[in-house]
Amino acid sequence: GENVEQHPSTLSVQEGDSAVIKCTYSDSASNYFPWYKQELGKGPQLIIDIRSNVGEKKDQRIAVTLNKTAKHFSLHITETQPEDSAVYFCAASIGSGGYQKVTFGTGTKLQVIP
Amino acid sequence: GAGVSQSPRYKVAKRGQDVALRCDPISGHVSLFWYQQALGQGPEFLTYFQNEAQLDKSGLPSDRFFAERPEGSVSTLKIQRTQQEDSAVYLCASSLVVGTQYFGPGTRLLVL
Repeated sequence: GENVEQHPSTLSVQEGDSAVIKCTYSDSASNYFPWYKQELGKGPQLIIDIRSNVGEKKDQRIAVTLNKTAKHFSLHITETQPEDSAVYFCAASIGSGGYQKVTFGTGTKLQVIP
Repeated sequence: GAGVSQSPRYKVAKRGQDVALRCDPISGHVSLFWYQQALGQGPEFLTYFQNEAQLDKSGLPSDRFFAERPEGSVSTLKIQRTQQEDSAVYLCASSLVVGTQYFGPGTRLLVL
């Protein structure tokens, strides 16, 4: 099955700096890559996603890049703010039987220091 | 409209007890997923429903775990004879047939 590795496991940045989280996946058939933000006591919330036919996608301060050849994808957060502090999960998904079966990474705990 | 809701939010069970966890998906969402999230880990897939049909239960860790969605809306995850290793957050997510999965807040289960 699919295996997703994520690093770093923890990341501390000063407010206003950028944060980068990197992931790799194992199954070349994966075609959808969502990123989720999880705050304490809450369920994961989708923040951005990218499909395998796109190399980069940006939404305000958040961008994601995908390198299909290397099976790498990354999340970039610019101008970080204290409210960005949370655990971030990357995921890789394969369309199977009409639905997307999602495999999550192990998470990155981001701390933005005011 | 309302998001995915789950109940109870917290459940403490003695080892050996049976528990039932409920998920109310977003109205109109055909697909429903259950995940298990251990402390400090990412969610792990348990099972998938399309309407009332359970199409994938490959992630259920043992035959003590059972899920149902009899009318294609509300779903219940049941764990029989709970063990300490069952302690985790159980997340429910729903989506249209294919698309973004929207997660509920989870049920935190602690087995003593």
